[in-house]
This record gives sequence, C-alpha cells and structure tokens, in this order.
Amino acid sequence: DIVMTQSPDSLAVSLGERATINCKSSQSILYSSNNKNYLAWYQQKPGHPPKLLFYWASTRKSGVPDRFSGSGSGTDFTLTISSLQAEDVAVYYCQQYYSTPGRTFGQGTKVEIK
Amino acid sequence: QVQLVESGGGLVKPGGSLRLSCAASGFTFSDYYMSWIRQAPGKGLEWVSYISGSSNTIYHADSVKGRFTISRDNAKNSLYLQMNSLRAEDTAVYYCARDQWEIHDWGQGTLVTVSS
Repeated sequence: DIVMTQSPDSLAVSLGERATINCKSSQSILYSSNNKNYLAWYQQKPGHPPKLLFYWASTRKSGVPDRFSGSGSGTDFTLTISSLQAEDVAVYYCQQYYSTPGRTFGQGTKVEIK
Repeated sequence: QVQLVESGGGLVKPGGSLRLSCAASGFTFSDYYMSWIRQAPGKGLEWVSYISGSSNTIYHADSVKGRFTISRDNAKNSLYLQMNSLRAEDTAVYYCARDQWEIHDWGQGTLVTVSS
C-alpha cells in the first residue's frame, strides 16, 4: 500500500496568519496518462464526518473558501490556509486514490489557534 | 441533496457480530461505488471496504478480510456491512460514503464498540 505521511502532526497558528500542512506519499501518485495527481484533502471538525476540500490535489470543492489552496505533484503536496480563521480549527487529512484497492489516508494534522 | 444515514451500531462482545446499514437518497444509488470508512476514537481514518455499483468489484482491507462483508441492495438504495468475529480494535465510528475515488459525501457515522 502507498503510505501517506503528513507533517507536522499539529500546529498552532495565530489568527490571520498562514498555516501550511505537508503530505508526502511513499510513491508517486501522478498518473502520467492524464497528468493528474490522485490526492484529496479533507477537513474534520470534532463530532463531524470529514469534509472534502480538494481533489486532484488542487481542485477546490465548491463552497470551500479561497483562503484554502492545494498544491504539489508526484510525491509532495501542500495544503495552505492563507489567513487562519477561528472556524478553520480542525484536523486535516490527505488521501491518495491512485492505488485501488488500498486507498490510504495520512495520519492527520491538527490545526489550533496560537 | 445527497443523504447517507447509517444505523446498526452498538455495543457487542468480542467475537460477536453486527450488521451496519446505510440508507442512501438524493442520487442514483446504483451508479456509484460505495464505501465504509472507519475512525477509532481519537485516531485517523481507515478505508474498510468498497463495492461497485453492480457489486462486481469488492474490496476489503487486510485488517477486516475474512471477517467483514460489504454488500448492497440497489432496489432499496441501501449499503450494508456484515461484521463477524469482532475484536476490540474494531471499535470505531463507521462512516458510509459515496465513493468517487475522493469522497464528496459522508454519513454522520455509527459507533461500534467491541467490549466485554
């Protein structure tokens, strides 16, 4: 299975400041025939199911604020919150869907307010 | 809009069985893969099982293979997970999900607790 490793495990950021979460896959999840990275990002708040933020690494799901951005290719990916808001406190997960079966999630990154 | 409502969770003893159900609405159920994804208390997400629209393709994670069986009834717009030989490590919230490789739609989850 492809292993997804996120860093850091947690971070505390001041309101209005930038938050950056990294996700690294154990092998490339870029499919050469369509040049798409098979990676999604989710946000999960306590007591709620995850919510999809991005798919194909950088395609923002409708309704997701544009302070969120997804980037990267191959094995290295980043989720950036450009100006952290109180409602962004959550755990964020990356997930690869290049390998089916055996789709895997990262371990999660907890974002808190400093 | 898409709705996924899980049921069937509860407290069960080690070695016991449980059947989870997921009632789907708001989309053409038979057109979509469906998945079960679980989350142990305070832990991350783990893909458990998925099934194609026609039930021709089925996947179970190694951690549940031989013990869990995913199935669906397209006439009833329902997804199921039969869980046998349950272990303490199966304790988790189980989410039903509409699978488009990435997951756009999740249920609210049902808690399964395996304890004596």
